[in-house]
Amino acid sequence: AQSVAQPEDQVNVAEGNPLTVKCTYSVSGNPYLFWYVQYPNRGLQFLLKYITGDNLVKGSYGFEAEFNKSQTSFHLKKPSALVSDSALYFCAVRTAGFQKLVFGTGTRLLVSP
Amino acid sequence: SQTIHQWPATLVQPVGSPLSLECTVEGTSNPNLYWYRQAAGRGLQLLFYSVGIGQISSEVPQNLSASRPQDRQFILSSKKLLLSDSGFYLCAWYSGTESSPLHFGNGTRLTVT
Repeated sequence: AQSVAQPEDQVNVAEGNPLTVKCTYSVSGNPYLFWYVQYPNRGLQFLLKYITGDNLVKGSYGFEAEFNKSQTSFHLKKPSALVSDSALYFCAVRTAGFQKLVFGTGTRLLVSP
Repeated sequence: SQTIHQWPATLVQPVGSPLSLECTVEGTSNPNLYWYRQAAGRGLQLLFYSVGIGQISSEVPQNLSASRPQDRQFILSSKKLLLSDSGFYLCAWYSGTESSPLHFGNGTRLTVT
């Protein structure tokens, strides 16, 4: 079975500071991992994915994510947060042979000026 | 490039009325198609998915049904809406290649009164 955990309901960070949104996963086999962002009353927008290879993945809007196989984690990071980064963030996982993408419960990021 | 269209953007319907939400994808063929519901701006619940015309998999038995009459068209329906059907409905597609991301439409906000 596939599952994803986002342990923080909300993350608060000041503008200009680095941010981290945590994600851990549980799968049988090699994972394909994804991060999405959702702004109010909009669909989810794809940010980045990990397939294989480099453990640090770079994505849209300056976001990156670090894959750690031993800790089964895929944390989302950004060196310097912007107020406009305030949104709901979802981590998701899929493995080979599965047509469904399993989502975490989401983490609300609030960046204060 | 591929685009996904979902309409209407908002809908207010009385209890007991029928529902039809439509989703179409352009710029690709034989996509995998998905309907999700999001309650209270948080977690995503997979309702239905389809890997081909006429092929529908239901994840949660409920008051809703889905159909795929054409390759790139996915319809969510109900014969009689319940108050509990209120929520944010999202259509999504992906190519079927397991390392590919899911792409979402902008959603329909349904309020059942």
